[in-house]
Order: sequence, then structure tokens, then C-alpha cells
Amino acid sequence: DAGVIQSPRHEVTEMGQEVTLRCKPISGHDYLFWYRQTMMRGLELLIYFNNNVPIDDSGMPEDRFSAKMPNASFSTLKIQPSEPRDSAVYFCASSPDRAHTTNEKLFFGSGTQLSVL
Amino acid sequence: KQEVTQIPAALSVPEGENLVLNCSFTDSAIYNLQWFRQDPGKGLTSLLLIQSSQREQTSGRLNASLDKSSGRSTLYIAASQPGDSATYLCAVRVTGRRALTFGSGTRLQVQP
Repeated sequence: DAGVIQSPRHEVTEMGQEVTLRCKPISGHDYLFWYRQTMMRGLELLIYFNNNVPIDDSGMPEDRFSAKMPNASFSTLKIQPSEPRDSAVYFCASSPDRAHTTNEKLFFGSGTQLSVL
Repeated sequence: KQEVTQIPAALSVPEGENLVLNCSFTDSAIYNLQWFRQDPGKGLTSLLLIQSSQREQTSGRLNASLDKSSGRSTLYIAASQPGDSATYLCAVRVTGRRALTFGSGTRLQVQP
């Protein structure tokens, strides 16, 4: 398996523009997570899905952020309109549902480095 | 709310030294704890996962321990190598919640 695939790797945009980040989880994984990483705040959970259904979106900063998972192999995180404070690395991660085992590890994509000017 | 703290924030050691990274968490009702490695510009790679019922896990030169009652975990790296240079993060899954809460990491540099 190719692992969790994110695109684009880098995104530079101007304030006010719409940004869409994409993620393909590992096949067979039931959970998909979106995290954001900054120097100041570290890794923060934005939202996660179980079997394509959003479970916890309490980490989504505000209404400008939205996430979808139309099927088991694809998810998007959209920011509209973008602001300079949204600049960060956005990670997608997936994991299988293997309760009570050490196979419940979280697998991360390489991230999208977002810069909003 | 679960808070995860890692000390030290940065560590530099000569090659061959054994070292310990520390992680503490505030809510002892954890389901499991994972240690990750992050290389610059890359995603995170899971190194070890310890279930709440376990005391330790080992993988090669890495050994992670868990003491739920005191809210602490340690990652022991034996015979460190320059290739171990990276940021190490611990993350806790709380019982009843699927997502992980991450510490801010320890940036390790192993000098040749």
C-alpha cells in the first residue's frame, strides 16, 4: 500500500482565496483524521471520520473550515475564505479499527504546507 | 481536558549514548499511548503503541514504558545513532474518544 496520500504538498495562496486539501487514506482503514501543526500550538485535531461519517468536528476553528468524506477512499478539507493565520502544515491520518490491539496505530500522510499571504 | 507534556523540548547527545525521553499526561483514564517520530518536512511515523493494560513495549533499540497511575511514559533509546535525530512525540488516546492528543515533542540531535 502507498500509505496515506495528501495533495498538494505545498500550497501558496492569497488571503480570501478558497483552499482545498485532499487526502486518500490507506485502503481498509475505518478512521480518518485531519490535524493541523504549527510551531505555536503543535498538533491539533480538526475533525475525524468513522466509516465516512464525521464524528468529532469540535476542533474546526470556525465556519470557514469544512471537511467532507464522500467515500472511503477520499476526503477534503476546505478553507473559504483563507486567512494568514491559517498558515500551517495540515496532516491527514488514518487508522484501522483494531480495538484492544497494538494494530490501532495511526498512519500519517506527508502533509500539506499551506501559506496564506 | 487531556494535556500532554514532553520534557525536554530539545536534547543533544553524542552517538552511542543511551537516552530517555519523557511524556506526562493529566488524565489517567487513557486507552492507549503512542510514540511517534517526525523527520523535518515529513509526516509522523508511529514507533510504539502501549495499551492501557500494558507496562511496556519494545521494538529494536526502543523501549516505551507506561505508568498510568503517575501519568507518565518514557521512551528509552539504546545506543543512539545519528539516524535517530528527529522529533519524538507522544500521543494519548483517552477512553471514550478515538482521537489522539499530542505532546509538543522532543527534538533529538545525536552527534556523530
